[in-house]
Amino acid sequence: GAVVSQHPSWVICKSGTSVKIECRSLDFQATTMFWYRQFPKQSLMLMATSNEGSKATYEQGVEKDKFLINHASLTLSTLTVTSAHPEDSSFYICSARSGQINQPQHFGDGTRLSIL
Amino acid sequence: GESVGLHLPTLSVQEGDNSIINCAYSNSASDYFIWYKQESGKGPQFIIDIRSNMDKRQGQRVTVLLNKTVKHLSLQIAATQPGDSAVYFCAENTGYSTLTFGKGTMLLVSP
Repeated sequence: GAVVSQHPSWVICKSGTSVKIECRSLDFQATTMFWYRQFPKQSLMLMATSNEGSKATYEQGVEKDKFLINHASLTLSTLTVTSAHPEDSSFYICSARSGQINQPQHFGDGTRLSIL
Repeated sequence: GESVGLHLPTLSVQEGDNSIINCAYSNSASDYFIWYKQESGKGPQFIIDIRSNMDKRQGQRVTVLLNKTVKHLSLQIAATQPGDSAVYFCAENTGYSTLTFGKGTMLLVSP
């Protein structure tokens, strides 16, 4: 149980294009989803928290107009990197949690984004 | 700000040995802790969690110990196997729903 699917797993695109990443909870309802960014050999850095039907809460320093998050249902959240540039290249990982706090977050397998 | 840190960036063990991965946290308000395993190119995988009202919790081949007096968390892996090789992260929850991750420890298991 508690499977989170993330798609695509890998994307390469030209600078200036927008990229959408999907995060789905397959066997549970995710009231809260999280988006992280991870650079090589570093820890996960939280970008934003989204609750179904609400606007996402962004961490300090994360541009909300750059990283658009939509959490339209209890099983799907999307992250759109708008007008992506090489410095946006990274490993993006989503997680999902059901119900109350003090429950573990379950992670997708990440999306490797490379901007040329 | 307060953060979670790890003492050892890399731990090398022989197959069959027991492994201990340590984590220090500084936020005394943290009430929930999780250990994750991350293999190369994949997302973190939940291993075990513990709440602050406990000091020990056991799973299959893994044990988490929590010492609130010194703000220390450890993950013990019994009979370590090559498949256990990965980066291990501790994470703390202060009760505001978000997790703060430690820097990670790479566990290398030699056959």
